[in-house]
Amino acid sequence: ILNVEQSPQSLHVQEGDSTNFTCSFPSSNFYALHWYRWETAKSPEALFVMTLNGDEKKKGRISATLNTKEGYSYLYIKGSQPEDSATYLCALVNQAGTALIFGKGTTLSVSS
Amino acid sequence: NAGVTQTPKFRILKIGQSMTLQCTQDMNHNYMYWYRQDPGMGLKLIYYSVGAGITDKGEVPNGYNVSRSTTEDFPLRLELAAPSQTSVYFCASSYSSQGMGNTIYFGEGSWLTVV
Repeated sequence: ILNVEQSPQSLHVQEGDSTNFTCSFPSSNFYALHWYRWETAKSPEALFVMTLNGDEKKKGRISATLNTKEGYSYLYIKGSQPEDSATYLCALVNQAGTALIFGKGTTLSVSS
Repeated sequence: NAGVTQTPKFRILKIGQSMTLQCTQDMNHNYMYWYRQDPGMGLKLIYYSVGAGITDKGEVPNGYNVSRSTTEDFPLRLELAAPSQTSVYFCASSYSSQGMGNTIYFGEGSWLTVV
């Protein structure tokens, strides 16, 4: 069974703080890793799809790195804003390469 | 494009009742998925389909059935509703295999309560 672990489970920061979360996964049979942003009462929204060891992706103040050899990915948010408050989901492609297996998410709360 | 549309948005069921959650996508995606989200548990894959006429079980398929008669539609059926099926259900789709790094697009969710 593919096990995707995310830490921390929740995080509270002040506006302007930079923060990061971790997604850990088995390094064998890696296909791709996805990061999603999920606001309450909305559908999850794709942030990044990462496929290669050493990948670094960036979208505005949010960036992500990938280390497939050691089985982790980091998501960074620079200068957090209240609108960044959401649950950030990490997901890995299953062994059949056909669907995503999600971690439990990291819930970020940013206070102004 | 409307993207992924699922109905109903909210539903209350009595134990033992049956219902179907409808899902349709207009992006000509081959792959479609049903996930459920329980508090503190993240998204769990119920069933998925890689194309019309083909379905497969995910992590938590018990108590559910699906069909994929067309590319656009992927309904999820609950035959005998149980309280354990109280959850938020998300339908999703993608153009091709996740192994190729394709993004999944989600519907807005269906809140189901079984009492």
